[in-house]
Amino acid sequence: NAGVTQTPKFRVLKTGQSMTLLCAQDMNHEYMYWYRQDPGMGLRLIHYSVGEGTTAKGEVPDGYNVSRLKKQNFLLGLESAAPSQTSVYFCASSTANRGPSEQYFGPGTRLTVT
Amino acid sequence: AQSVTQPDIHITVSEGASLELRCNYSYGATPYLFWYVQSPGQGLQLLLKYFSGDTLVQGIKGFEAEFKRSQSSFNLRKPSVHWSDAAEYFCSLRGAGSYQLTFGKGTKLSVIP
Repeated sequence: NAGVTQTPKFRVLKTGQSMTLLCAQDMNHEYMYWYRQDPGMGLRLIHYSVGEGTTAKGEVPDGYNVSRLKKQNFLLGLESAAPSQTSVYFCASSTANRGPSEQYFGPGTRLTVT
Repeated sequence: AQSVTQPDIHITVSEGASLELRCNYSYGATPYLFWYVQSPGQGLQLLLKYFSGDTLVQGIKGFEAEFKRSQSSFNLRKPSVHWSDAAEYFCSLRGAGSYQLTFGKGTKLSVIP
C-alpha cells in the first residue's frame, strides 16, 4: 500500500513551458486535492475533485488545469509556466465522508520556474 | 469566511521542555479541526483531529490538543519535546459539509539539544 504518490519529485521549467504533475492513490479514495505550499503561506488549495470525471476550483486556480479521468489519478497541468508558480505542490486524497475524515498527503513535487 | 491563525511563526524549545503551539480559528459553527506535522522535505502527516465530544484529544507521538469553543482555539501540546519533534506544524479547519481544508501558515519548531 503506497498511499499517495507524486511524480516527478523535482522539476525545473523555463517560463512558458508546460508540464503535468501526476498524483496517484491506491486507497480507493473518492476525493483528491492539489495544494501549493509557499514559504510563510501555509498550504493553499488549487483544485479538487470529488469523483472520477469531476473537478472544481479551489482558492488559487489561475494558471492551472486538472483532470480526473481515473479514480486513482489526479493530474495537475501548467499550460504556460510562470515564475510565480515556483512552489512545492502537494497532492492529497480522502474518503467521501464529509465528516472529519483526514486527508492523506503525497511527498510533494518541488517545481522551479526560471 | 473561515480562517486559521497560527500566531507563532517560529518557536525554539529545549529538549525535554514542554510545548504549546497556538491555533485560533474563525468559523460560524463548530468546525472539524486538525493538526498536521511536516518534517523537512516530507509531506504532511496527521497528528490528531477534533470533531465532537471530548474537547481534549490525543494524537500520535505523544501530542494532545484542547478545543476551547469560547476562545475559538485548538492549541497543540506535548509535555516533553524530543529532538525528533523538530518540524513544521500546521493547524487546519474544515466546515461541516465542506470538502476544503483551510490551513494556518504554520509554526516551525526548533529543538535545542
